[in-house]
Amino acid sequence: GAVVSQHPSWVICKSGTSVKIECRSLDFQATTMFWYRQFPKQSLMLMATSNEGSKATYEQGVEKDKFLINHASLTLSTLTVTSAHPEDSSFYICSAMDRAGEQYFGPGTRLTVT
Amino acid sequence: KQEVTQIPAALSVPEGENLVLNCSFTDSAIYNLQWFRQDPGKGLTSLLLIQSSQREQTSGRLNASLDKSSGRSTLYIAASQPGDSATYLCAVRTSYDKVIFGPGTSLSVIP
Repeated sequence: GAVVSQHPSWVICKSGTSVKIECRSLDFQATTMFWYRQFPKQSLMLMATSNEGSKATYEQGVEKDKFLINHASLTLSTLTVTSAHPEDSSFYICSAMDRAGEQYFGPGTRLTVT
Repeated sequence: KQEVTQIPAALSVPEGENLVLNCSFTDSAIYNLQWFRQDPGKGLTSLLLIQSSQREQTSGRLNASLDKSSGRSTLYIAASQPGDSATYLCAVRTSYDKVIFGPGTSLSVIP
């Protein structure tokens, strides 16, 4: 089946720094990718929809200047958390949609901001 | 606006029991419904995907049903094992590109 990878799987950074998370579709092309965030003991919440070659669409309440999304190719989308703060510590999961419209989820990236 | 709920929030059962997890959604116009498993600190493992035209799907000891008209889905786990302990999430795909997750049910299977 289709595989989606994320890198890194976990990262610790200091407050004020920026962190980039990659989401790759390994064996299919994904014109659309999605970014979710999961806080402890809570479910996944959609942050933004990323379309290849165009600007991402952010959900209400998500700061687009803080969470920069780039979908530069059909197999790669990146999420950059800028000027990270402890409250940004979370589990970030991406999903990628293939041409048939099926979505496949990545394994997630755990971000801890100290 | 689609809302997805799951009952119970937590469940503890002795090994070997059969159990049912429930998922409800408010808008019956869905593309599909998917059940996931999430182990602590880990990502999602897809268990079963039910298309809107289907009534149920089965995989091994797992059986998921879908009743769109009532806005409900159940995940049945037969002969539970300690290795089944995890959080189970249901996710409703409401349109071509929107997936709404439920809050999850935390399952503990006691040896």
